[in-house]
Amino acid sequence: FVLTQPHSVSESPGKTVTISCTRSSGRIDSTYVMWYQQRPGRAPTLLIFENNQRPSGVPDRFSASVDSASNSASLTISGLAPEDEADYHCQSLDGPYRIFGGGTKLTVL
Amino acid sequence: QLQLQESGPGLVRPSETLSLTCGVSGDSIKDYYWAWIRQPAGKGLEWIGRAYFYGDADYNPAFNSRVTMSVDASRSQVSLELKSVTAADTAVYYCARDDRGFDSWGQGTLVTVSS
Repeated sequence: FVLTQPHSVSESPGKTVTISCTRSSGRIDSTYVMWYQQRPGRAPTLLIFENNQRPSGVPDRFSASVDSASNSASLTISGLAPEDEADYHCQSLDGPYRIFGGGTKLTVL
Repeated sequence: QLQLQESGPGLVRPSETLSLTCGVSGDSIKDYYWAWIRQPAGKGLEWIGRAYFYGDADYNPAFNSRVTMSVDASRSQVSLELKSVTAADTAVYYCARDDRGFDSWGQGTLVTVSS
């Protein structure tokens, strides 16, 4: 299956933005979804695991969910800060295989 | 604290084999799957595969039989070999621990395929 993300999103500081990740086939809720943040020139870091769990150290401004009706996962970032400007990647599982979405560039205007 | 460090040649000739290693420190290499992920410039992440100390390995079908990964506990290293490379294999290559997501990453190493 393929995970499709918007190429880019933009929003103003202090606002809330949501990034979607749509699964092309099979149920989105059949396997876990993870989210990663990648700042320019840096390696990705794990932001969300197992659909909606935050690793220690990740602010609660970052949240995620899965929606069966739209067969998609969503990452929501509230109280946008300039340092949130980054690429965001979703990732899921297909048995032993790991599949990434194409990534979304978030611009904080 | 877990640390991962990729190393290997930054330039590989077309049709040759790309070989990278990932040094693992700060945790037991035997207890986890270790993955290689790459990212061409300006593009998204691509999972290459993962390996486990006890011999198990899973590879992205897109790489067919070109890829081999292994875990060497004596050296605390994870290795990647990618055969018959072309310019399309030019990318930053990352190693990462695969544990409820890729929860720890190396800094990445740029590999350019060019004659």
